[in-house]
Amino acid sequence: EAGVTQFPSHSVIEKGQTVTLRCDPISGHDNLYWYRRVMGKEIKFLLHFVKESKQDESGMPNNRFLAERTGGTYSTLKVQPAELEDSGVYFCASSQDDQDWAPEKLFFGSGTQLSVL
Amino acid sequence: GESVGLHLPTLSVQEGDNSIINCAYSNSASDYFIWYKQESGKGPQFIIDIRSNMDKRQGQRVTVLLNKTVKHLSLQIAATQPGDSAVYFCAVRPTRGSYIPTFGRGTSLIVHP
Repeated sequence: EAGVTQFPSHSVIEKGQTVTLRCDPISGHDNLYWYRRVMGKEIKFLLHFVKESKQDESGMPNNRFLAERTGGTYSTLKVQPAELEDSGVYFCASSQDDQDWAPEKLFFGSGTQLSVL
Repeated sequence: GESVGLHLPTLSVQEGDNSIINCAYSNSASDYFIWYKQESGKGPQFIIDIRSNMDKRQGQRVTVLLNKTVKHLSLQIAATQPGDSAVYFCAVRPTRGSYIPTFGRGTSLIVHP
């Protein structure tokens, strides 16, 4: 079974440009999460989808970030326009059933390393 | 809200030694604690968890200790191996509301052969 996949693995862009990150969760997983880790800091929650609906977007830094999950399958996270402080590793994770949550049932992708120059 | 902190950003050990990674949390009502391991080029992966009704839990070569009095938990790795080199995160799951854990900053464990 394929795990959570993220694309691209690395992205280098200039300040002011737009970047779109993609996450394909494990098939059948209704819950999809986006996280970000800025160098040397904690992994911070960004938002949580249940199917195509945003369950919790309290962690989104500002309106330059737009997440979508049309059709409840893959998700995209767009940053427009990108700023220097947006650099970091963006992780996606998915889980099947929020009612029976357990940490071993939360699967992370390998992340997208975003560098804004 | 909850805040989670790690005591050391980097820990270097010799292969075969025991490693201890420490973590502190702020909310005394927190009741569920998780350790994740993130290897280079991969996402975080669950290692072990512990609930607040326990002081200690053991896995394969790993032990988590919880001291609720001082709001501190630690991850002990016995006979550390080069494959243990990774960034280790502690996380605290909220006591109510969503199940989304709050992560700490991570400790980079470097194992020297």
